[in-house]
Amino acid sequence: DAKTTQPPSMDCAEGRAANLPCNHSTISGNEYVYWYRQIHSQGPQYIIHGLKNNETNEMASLIITEDRKSSTLILPHATLRDTAVYYCIVRVASRDDKIIFGKGTRLHILP
Amino acid sequence: DVKVTQSSRYLVKRTGEKVFLECVQDMDHENMFWYRQDPGLGLRLIYFSYDVKMKEKGDIPEGYSVSREKKERFSLILESASTNQTSMYLCASIQRGSPLHFGNGTRLTVT
Repeated sequence: DAKTTQPPSMDCAEGRAANLPCNHSTISGNEYVYWYRQIHSQGPQYIIHGLKNNETNEMASLIITEDRKSSTLILPHATLRDTAVYYCIVRVASRDDKIIFGKGTRLHILP
Repeated sequence: DVKVTQSSRYLVKRTGEKVFLECVQDMDHENMFWYRQDPGLGLRLIYFSYDVKMKEKGDIPEGYSVSREKKERFSLILESASTNQTSMYLCASIQRGSPLHFGNGTRLTVT
């Protein structure tokens, strides 16, 4: 079973910040939080990951709560091209990875 | 950039046929994965492999087998295809500590 829960869908107005939540209340101390997104007809694409600290790259920001039980992916200025399914997963960077995805959040960017 | 290549984008097979889905990665990654994706169910892990000739069952291995004779190639085999195996199949690879890299998927239809 997936170790993360996400809302099935969200809407966001174009140009606004999209904030996608993820709950991972059973996360272990050595598990990272990873975010991927899947645009229609393509394989999922890596966005960002983190362990404890907030992270930012050219695509997004990741905010992880202090207790690490939840996180939020922030797309600062959403565009229509950000319409996709977003997946949050947790994993240990060890050899025998069994990487389980949940159902993700379908993000609709509204013009 | 890492490239994960799935041999077919679309495939149509008949019930009872033996089906091979091929996946090749070009970055010497240790771990490789096969997922299937169905509407409303997200990505579900079928099998994964952490080394040549090594394989582990995922959450839904029934009706599937895999083969990893070379590090760069991971094959998914449907011994006797059935209509409930109509789905999008996604292959992915990873090096320890790095993000997953996905192929663009094979959409399999079993009639």
